[in-house]
Amino acid sequence: DAKTTQPPSMDCAEGRAANLPCNHSTISGNEYVYWYRQIHSQGPQYIIHGLKNNETNEMASLIITEDRKSSTLILPHATLRDTAVYYCIVRVENGAGSYQLTFGKGTKLSVIP
Amino acid sequence: SAVISQKPSRDICQRGTSLTIQCQVDSQVTMMFWYRQQPGQSLTLIATANQGSEATYESGFVIDKFPISRPNLTFSTLTVSNLSPEDSSIYLCSVAPHRPGGEAFFGQGTRLTVV
Repeated sequence: DAKTTQPPSMDCAEGRAANLPCNHSTISGNEYVYWYRQIHSQGPQYIIHGLKNNETNEMASLIITEDRKSSTLILPHATLRDTAVYYCIVRVENGAGSYQLTFGKGTKLSVIP
Repeated sequence: SAVISQKPSRDICQRGTSLTIQCQVDSQVTMMFWYRQQPGQSLTLIATANQGSEATYESGFVIDKFPISRPNLTFSTLTVSNLSPEDSSIYLCSVAPHRPGGEAFFGQGTRLTVV
């Protein structure tokens, strides 16, 4: 399984862009990069995912390096409600076709007023 | 997106008893998973709930302790048996499409406290 490395915590000023890095140097060619977040006491929320190209949706942008060994999640205008633990996950498919997610420790993002 | 209803949202149980958690999805899904989140920790996959066959358990989790049912493509249950205080955790149901590049969705979790 490709593993991910994220900083344990980050701060971001409200209204500024939050840039959350993730290293996944052992990622294989058919593995996707997913980002989820978990706000305290809630189930994880899907944010965005990508394979090779950069992606953008209404929540965030995902920038994947050309060698795919790292990525950055960008929250363009962070609000206090974006305070959460953010998980970068490389999605694994095992031989039986089971698309499971392996969660690391994530990055605790604190948005500061 | 899939809407997942997980019940109960929380419970306090006596040690030695069992708790059954239900997961209902608003659409048919191929893949359903059960996760555990111990206090202050990340999520750990317990098992994959397979429709019409026995669940596939991850290392460290066994069927006797965590029996799982999946009678159809929209419903699954997880039972946590012979409860001890170490079982106090949040248990989460998740669903995912059986194709590359499809996002998984999570229920809001069941917070279990064993006393």
